[in-house]
Amino acid sequence: QKEVEQNSGPLSVPEGAIASLNCTYSDRVSQSFFWYRQYSGKSPELIMSIYSNGDKEDGRFTAQLNKASQYVSLLIRDSQPSDSATYLCAVNILTGGGNKLTFGTGTQLKVEL
Amino acid sequence: DGGITQSPKYLFRKEGQNVTLSCEQNLNHDAMYWYRQDPGQGLRLIYYSQIVNDFQKGDIAEGYSVSREKKESFPLTVTSAQKNPTAFYLCASSISGSSGNTIYFGEGSWLTVV
Repeated sequence: QKEVEQNSGPLSVPEGAIASLNCTYSDRVSQSFFWYRQYSGKSPELIMSIYSNGDKEDGRFTAQLNKASQYVSLLIRDSQPSDSATYLCAVNILTGGGNKLTFGTGTQLKVEL
Repeated sequence: DGGITQSPKYLFRKEGQNVTLSCEQNLNHDAMYWYRQDPGQGLRLIYYSQIVNDFQKGDIAEGYSVSREKKESFPLTVTSAQKNPTAFYLCASSISGSSGNTIYFGEGSWLTVV
Protein backbone atom coordinates (compact mmCIF):
# COMPACT_ATOMS: atom_id res chain seq x y z
CA GLN A 1 0.00 0.00 0.00
CA LYS A 2 1.32 3.42 -0.92
CA GLU A 3 1.89 5.83 1.93
CA VAL A 4 -0.21 8.55 0.28
CA GLU A 5 -2.79 7.75 -2.38
CA GLN A 6 -4.68 9.99 -4.78
CA ASN A 7 -6.72 9.35 -7.89
CA SER A 8 -4.66 10.51 -10.83
CA GLY A 9 -7.63 11.90 -12.73
CA PRO A 10 -8.13 13.86 -14.78
CA LEU A 11 -11.02 15.28 -12.83
CA SER A 12 -13.09 17.52 -15.07
CA VAL A 13 -15.51 20.08 -13.64
CA PRO A 14 -17.38 22.94 -15.31
CA GLU A 15 -16.46 26.51 -14.47
CA GLY A 16 -18.21 27.65 -11.31
CA ALA A 17 -18.69 24.14 -9.92
CA ILE A 18 -17.16 22.61 -6.80
CA ALA A 19 -14.10 20.42 -7.34
CA SER A 20 -13.49 17.72 -4.74
CA LEU A 21 -10.04 16.18 -4.45
CA ASN A 22 -9.37 13.24 -2.16
CA CYS A 23 -6.35 11.70 -0.48
CA THR A 24 -5.80 8.77 1.85
CA TYR A 25 -2.70 7.96 3.86
CA SER A 26 -1.45 4.84 5.55
CA ASP A 27 0.58 5.99 8.56
CA ARG A 28 -1.60 6.62 11.61
CA VAL A 29 1.04 8.75 13.31
CA SER A 30 0.97 11.34 10.52
CA GLN A 31 0.74 14.74 12.11
CA SER A 32 0.24 17.38 9.48
CA PHE A 33 -1.20 17.51 6.01
CA PHE A 34 -0.74 19.78 3.03
CA TRP A 35 -2.23 20.48 -0.36
CA TYR A 36 0.04 21.83 -3.08
CA ARG A 37 -0.89 23.02 -6.57
CA GLN A 38 1.50 22.38 -9.44
CA TYR A 39 1.20 23.83 -12.90
CA SER A 40 2.85 21.94 -15.73
CA GLY A 41 6.61 22.42 -15.69
CA LYS A 42 6.56 24.45 -12.48
CA SER A 43 7.36 23.72 -8.86
CA PRO A 44 4.58 23.02 -6.34
CA GLU A 45 3.06 25.91 -4.42
CA LEU A 46 1.34 25.57 -1.08
CA ILE A 47 -2.43 26.02 -1.00
CA MET A 48 -3.51 24.74 2.39
CA SER A 49 -2.18 23.06 5.50
CA ILE A 50 -4.30 21.28 8.10
CA TYR A 51 -3.36 19.67 11.39
CA SER A 52 -6.60 18.99 13.27
CA ASN A 53 -9.71 17.01 12.45
CA GLY A 54 -12.43 19.00 10.77
CA ASP A 55 -12.58 21.70 8.14
CA LYS A 56 -10.27 24.60 7.42
CA GLU A 57 -11.36 27.28 5.00
CA ASP A 58 -9.25 29.80 3.10
CA GLY A 59 -11.07 31.75 0.42
CA ARG A 60 -12.43 29.35 -2.18
CA PHE A 61 -10.49 26.44 -0.70
CA THR A 62 -11.57 24.13 2.12
CA ALA A 63 -9.40 21.35 3.48
CA GLN A 64 -11.05 18.53 5.41
CA LEU A 65 -9.22 16.09 7.68
CA ASN A 66 -10.48 12.87 9.24
CA LYS A 67 -7.66 11.15 11.11
CA ALA A 68 -9.79 8.18 12.15
CA SER A 69 -10.45 7.39 8.51
CA GLN A 70 -6.97 8.55 7.44
CA TYR A 71 -8.52 10.78 4.86
CA VAL A 72 -7.88 14.36 3.78
CA SER A 73 -9.68 16.26 1.04
CA LEU A 74 -9.62 19.60 -0.72
CA LEU A 75 -12.72 21.38 -1.97
CA ILE A 76 -12.45 24.19 -4.49
CA ARG A 77 -15.57 26.30 -4.76
CA ASP A 78 -16.46 28.37 -7.81
CA SER A 79 -13.80 26.61 -9.86
CA GLN A 80 -11.99 28.76 -12.41
CA PRO A 81 -10.01 27.78 -15.51
CA SER A 82 -6.91 29.05 -13.69
CA ASP A 83 -7.45 26.28 -11.13
CA SER A 84 -6.59 23.73 -13.81
CA ALA A 85 -3.44 22.08 -12.49
CA THR A 86 -2.22 19.00 -10.66
CA TYR A 87 -3.00 18.95 -6.94
CA LEU A 88 -0.58 17.13 -4.69
CA CYS A 89 -1.49 15.81 -1.27
CA ALA A 90 1.40 15.65 1.20
CA VAL A 91 1.64 14.07 4.62
CA ASN A 92 4.27 15.00 7.19
CA ILE A 93 5.68 12.42 9.57
CA LEU A 94 8.11 13.23 12.36
CA THR A 95 10.86 10.60 12.25
CA GLY A 96 14.09 10.11 14.16
CA GLY A 97 15.82 11.92 11.33
CA GLY A 98 13.42 14.80 11.35
CA ASN A 99 10.33 15.79 9.42
CA LYS A 100 9.64 13.75 6.31
CA LEU A 101 7.06 14.98 3.84
CA THR A 102 5.63 12.26 1.59
CA PHE A 103 3.61 13.14 -1.52
CA GLY A 104 0.87 11.42 -3.43
CA THR A 105 1.12 11.16 -7.20
CA GLY A 106 -1.31 14.04 -7.64
CA THR A 107 -4.74 14.55 -9.16
CA GLN A 108 -5.02 16.47 -12.41
CA LEU A 109 -7.90 18.94 -12.35
CA LYS A 110 -9.40 20.42 -15.51
CA VAL A 111 -11.87 23.25 -15.20
CA GLU A 112 -13.84 23.57 -18.41
CA LEU A 113 -15.47 26.70 -19.77
CA ASP B 1 14.16 38.77 -1.97
CA GLY B 2 13.90 35.75 0.32
CA GLY B 3 13.62 32.40 -1.30
CA ILE B 4 15.16 29.20 -2.55
CA THR B 5 17.44 29.36 -5.56
CA GLN B 6 18.23 26.33 -7.65
CA SER B 7 20.80 26.24 -10.42
CA PRO B 8 21.15 25.45 -13.17
CA LYS B 9 17.56 25.37 -14.37
CA TYR B 10 18.47 23.06 -17.24
CA LEU B 11 21.36 20.60 -17.26
CA PHE B 12 22.47 17.95 -19.69
CA ARG B 13 24.59 15.06 -18.53
CA LYS B 14 26.54 12.57 -20.54
CA GLU B 15 26.50 8.93 -19.62
CA GLY B 16 28.98 8.20 -16.81
CA GLN B 17 29.29 11.78 -15.62
CA ASN B 18 28.61 13.14 -12.17
CA VAL B 19 26.72 16.40 -11.99
CA THR B 20 25.91 18.67 -9.08
CA LEU B 21 22.72 20.67 -8.63
CA SER B 22 22.96 23.74 -6.46
CA CYS B 23 20.37 24.80 -3.88
CA GLU B 24 20.70 27.95 -1.78
CA GLN B 25 18.14 29.45 0.61
CA ASN B 26 18.13 32.75 2.47
CA LEU B 27 15.04 32.04 4.53
CA ASN B 28 17.09 30.99 7.58
CA HIS B 29 15.36 27.61 7.45
CA ASP B 30 16.95 24.75 9.34
CA ALA B 31 15.71 21.89 7.18
CA MET B 32 16.36 21.27 3.51
CA TYR B 33 15.16 18.58 1.13
CA TRP B 34 15.70 17.15 -2.34
CA TYR B 35 12.87 15.59 -4.32
CA ARG B 36 12.76 14.00 -7.72
CA GLN B 37 9.73 14.15 -10.00
CA ASP B 38 9.27 12.06 -13.11
CA PRO B 39 6.72 13.02 -15.79
CA GLY B 40 3.17 12.47 -14.57
CA GLN B 41 4.40 11.30 -11.18
CA GLY B 42 4.45 12.61 -7.66
CA LEU B 43 7.50 13.77 -5.74
CA ARG B 44 9.90 11.24 -4.28
CA LEU B 45 12.27 12.15 -1.46
CA ILE B 46 15.97 11.69 -2.19
CA TYR B 47 17.70 13.20 0.87
CA TYR B 48 16.82 15.54 3.69
CA SER B 49 18.75 17.44 6.30
CA GLN B 50 17.50 18.96 9.54
CA ILE B 51 20.74 20.61 10.67
CA VAL B 52 24.17 21.46 9.35
CA ASN B 53 26.52 18.49 8.90
CA ASP B 54 23.70 15.98 9.19
CA PHE B 55 21.45 14.44 6.54
CA GLN B 56 19.23 11.42 6.09
CA LYS B 57 18.45 9.17 3.15
CA GLY B 58 15.01 9.45 1.71
CA ASP B 59 13.14 6.86 -0.30
CA ILE B 60 15.35 6.89 -3.41
CA ALA B 61 18.86 7.87 -2.25
CA GLU B 62 20.79 5.33 -4.33
CA GLY B 63 22.98 7.02 -6.92
CA TYR B 64 22.81 10.40 -5.22
CA SER B 65 24.93 12.20 -2.64
CA VAL B 66 24.53 15.42 -0.67
CA SER B 67 26.41 17.63 1.74
CA ARG B 68 25.28 20.21 4.28
CA GLU B 69 28.32 22.24 5.23
CA LYS B 70 26.36 25.48 5.56
CA LYS B 71 22.85 26.16 6.75
CA GLU B 72 21.88 27.93 3.54
CA SER B 73 23.29 25.38 1.08
CA PHE B 74 22.34 21.79 0.23
CA PRO B 75 23.88 20.66 -3.07
CA LEU B 76 22.86 17.38 -4.69
CA THR B 77 25.27 15.30 -6.75
CA VAL B 78 23.80 12.90 -9.25
CA THR B 79 26.44 10.23 -9.67
CA SER B 80 27.09 7.88 -12.55
CA ALA B 81 25.59 5.15 -10.38
CA GLN B 82 22.15 6.68 -10.92
CA LYS B 83 21.05 4.79 -14.01
CA ASN B 84 17.99 6.81 -14.91
CA PRO B 85 18.64 10.38 -13.79
CA THR B 86 16.49 12.24 -16.31
CA ALA B 87 13.91 14.03 -14.16
CA PHE B 88 12.80 17.30 -12.59
CA TYR B 89 14.68 17.93 -9.33
CA LEU B 90 13.16 20.06 -6.61
CA CYS B 91 14.92 21.52 -3.61
CA ALA B 92 12.85 22.62 -0.63
CA SER B 93 13.31 24.04 2.84
CA SER B 94 11.37 24.46 6.05
CA ILE B 95 11.73 25.65 9.62
CA SER B 96 12.60 22.55 11.57
CA GLY B 97 11.59 21.49 15.01
CA SER B 98 7.84 21.15 14.86
CA SER B 99 5.45 18.71 13.28
CA GLY B 100 3.58 21.41 11.49
CA ASN B 101 6.36 23.03 9.53
CA THR B 102 5.58 23.89 5.94
CA ILE B 103 7.90 23.07 3.07
CA TYR B 104 8.59 25.63 0.38
CA PHE B 105 10.09 24.77 -2.97
CA GLY B 106 12.64 26.25 -5.32
CA GLU B 107 11.83 26.55 -9.01
CA GLY B 108 13.41 23.22 -9.89
CA SER B 109 16.16 21.91 -12.12
CA TRP B 110 15.62 19.82 -15.23
CA LEU B 111 18.27 17.15 -15.75
CA THR B 112 18.52 15.28 -19.03
CA VAL B 113 20.92 12.51 -19.92
CA VAL B 114 22.25 12.77 -23.48
